[in-house]
Amino acid sequence: QVQMQQSGPELVKPGASVKISCKASGYAFSTSWINWVKQRPGQGLEWIGRIYPGDGNTNYNGKFKGKATLTVDNSSSTAYMQVSSLTSVDSAVYFCARNYSYTMDYWGQGTSVTVSS
Amino acid sequence: QIVLTQSPAIISASPGEKVTMTCSASSSVSYMYWYQQKPGSSPRLLIYDTSNLASGVPVRFSGSGSGTSYSLTISRMEAEDAATYYCQQWSSYPPITFGGGTKLEIK
Repeated sequence: QVQMQQSGPELVKPGASVKISCKASGYAFSTSWINWVKQRPGQGLEWIGRIYPGDGNTNYNGKFKGKATLTVDNSSSTAYMQVSSLTSVDSAVYFCARNYSYTMDYWGQGTSVTVSS
Repeated sequence: QIVLTQSPAIISASPGEKVTMTCSASSSVSYMYWYQQKPGSSPRLLIYDTSNLASGVPVRFSGSGSGTSYSLTISRMEAEDAATYYCQQWSSYPPITFGGGTKLEIK
């Protein structure tokens, strides 16, 4: 069955960067886009961007250009998102989700990122 | 970008009651997608392409609409349906956008 397994919670200092992983299994990794979504505490969902493992092509929400960087490692079927220059507004749960048509069908469990000194 | 506005923000329903929530788009979209999210969990795809049930979704859920107005209906509310529901569009992309959510509570 399809699974998206994300890395564990992160506590990071302001100004630092964090790299979150999303390991996919149960399907052909290179054939489906991977989306990343942000959810701040008590807030709604915000799409960050997506990456196609087959060729590394990316699409970003303009709001997150320069803030988030998406990469993949096809050898381990893992997608990564690095978030840089962290501030308090970056404290959130970040989800990865497999692309299906024009939506997202399988989601990771979420990775909590807390930015605090 | 297309802004999705969901209403009501909060709705309370009794078991067995019919529940309808709406999603209004700032510009016309081709299809609407719906997710359910329970506290501490990831979103779950419920409806794709406006009216198609995702795998494993109970038939009491249904979606409809066109243009700028879409809705999600639960024919008979069950306790397990208490959650926050989000609509999502992909017609005007990037970015993909989500609505602000409707929180459904059980009476």
